[in-house]
Amino acid sequence: EPEVTQTPSHQVTQMGQEVILRCVPISNHLYFYWYRQILGQKVEFLVSFYNNEISEKSEIFDDQFSVERPDGSNFTLKIRSTKLEDSAMYFCASSEARQPGTEAFFGQGTRLTVV
Amino acid sequence: AQSVAQPEDQVNVAEGNPLTVKCTYSVSGNPYLFWYVQYPNRGLQFLLKYITGDNLVKGSYGFEAEFNKSQTSFHLKKPSALVSDSALYFCAVRTSGTYKYIFGTGTRLKVLA
Repeated sequence: EPEVTQTPSHQVTQMGQEVILRCVPISNHLYFYWYRQILGQKVEFLVSFYNNEISEKSEIFDDQFSVERPDGSNFTLKIRSTKLEDSAMYFCASSEARQPGTEAFFGQGTRLTVV
Repeated sequence: AQSVAQPEDQVNVAEGNPLTVKCTYSVSGNPYLFWYVQYPNRGLQFLLKYITGDNLVKGSYGFEAEFNKSQTSFHLKKPSALVSDSALYFCAVRTSGTYKYIFGTGTRLKVLA
């Protein structure tokens, strides 16, 4: 069964450093997402991406964050200057259509720890 | 504001007994409702969804969910729980005009042998 894969599974970084989280969405999917989950809290929407541009973003997704699809298979989330409060599990997801009844498929997550 | 509530942090049930994991939602417009399950060190796995039509929807692994518009609920059910059903369950909602799925806080299901 096709799946979304994320690397690395765990990343530890120093405050102020840049990190790039990587994702390979399901190959025929066109819509891509990043979500995060701070320990013990809700899964929160960060951004959606389609046709090489951001289609929607939350208030969390400020200028420190950016997304990119550098080639035909990868989808990345960059955090320019990490803060302690960026520590969370980051989930990548993809879906094949934009209709609201379409389910998204999620990766296993990258646990980001900022020290 | 749109929101999803999962009132129980944890649900314990004996193996073989029926299980219910509760979810209520608050949205403007028609809701599109989803259940996901998360096993340790795994991503969120899609279980089932409600779009329109029959209020009882069936999904993977014998799970089903009942949409109740008047109570704005979408409870997850299974007639006979298995120990292997033990996991974290998330309810999510989406509406037209937005790309985002809004998740509840999750309910940890423990099925006891």
